[in-house]
Amino acid sequence: EVQLLESGGGLVQPGGSLRLSCVASGFAFNNFAMTWVRQAPGKGLEWIAEIRATGSVTYYADSVKGRLTISRDNSKNTLYLELDSLRADDTAVYYCAKDHKVSVSGVLRGHYYGLDVWGQGTTVTVS
Amino acid sequence: EIVLTQSPATLSLSPGERATLSCRASQSVGSFLAWYQQKPGQVPRLLIYEASTRATGIPARFSGSGSGTDFTLTISSLEPEDSAVYFCQNRSNWPKTFGQGTKVEIK
Repeated sequence: EVQLLESGGGLVQPGGSLRLSCVASGFAFNNFAMTWVRQAPGKGLEWIAEIRATGSVTYYADSVKGRLTISRDNSKNTLYLELDSLRADDTAVYYCAKDHKVSVSGVLRGHYYGLDVWGQGTTVTVS
Repeated sequence: EIVLTQSPATLSLSPGERATLSCRASQSVGSFLAWYQQKPGQVPRLLIYEASTRATGIPARFSGSGSGTDFTLTISSLEPEDSAVYFCQNRSNWPKTFGQGTKVEIK
């Protein structure tokens, strides 16, 4: 079964730091780009960061650039999100999600085709 | 940054009725738009990708259309279990922004 399991959330004071983890199983983790999405209480989804399969390239939302760092360890099938200088508006459920790949002319390609597997989320509360 | 605007904010319909949800992009995303369903207390689920392709296991009553800047998610005949919030997402380029969501209520 394809699965993502987040951990590391909790209560942290403003200005503090936290490291979230997402352990993947059931698929070839090192072949897929991975994304972090967060959802503040009662609000919509916010795309915050993405990392390429090899870990060589990362992308961030402007709202978190400079304070959040996405990384991965393909040998451990694990995705990470380092959160620094936390603020009250960082309070949210943080989801990791896997890129969906589609066969295009016989080659599996990602990036364009959505996020097909989501973890159950881990809650970060900044207060 | 591409801004996605979804309308209406809330849709209240009876079972069996047709639901039409709109997602408008501030600039073209080509056909690279995805739709997700999020039921209360659950994680989002991929419904549609590349504007019109249903993801694995998604019932045929869900369909997507559009290209460029205007997209539509249609639920042809609402079932009680379709009560959820629906989000569109830009998959064309970074940042891969989401719309603010449309809540579908079943009367």
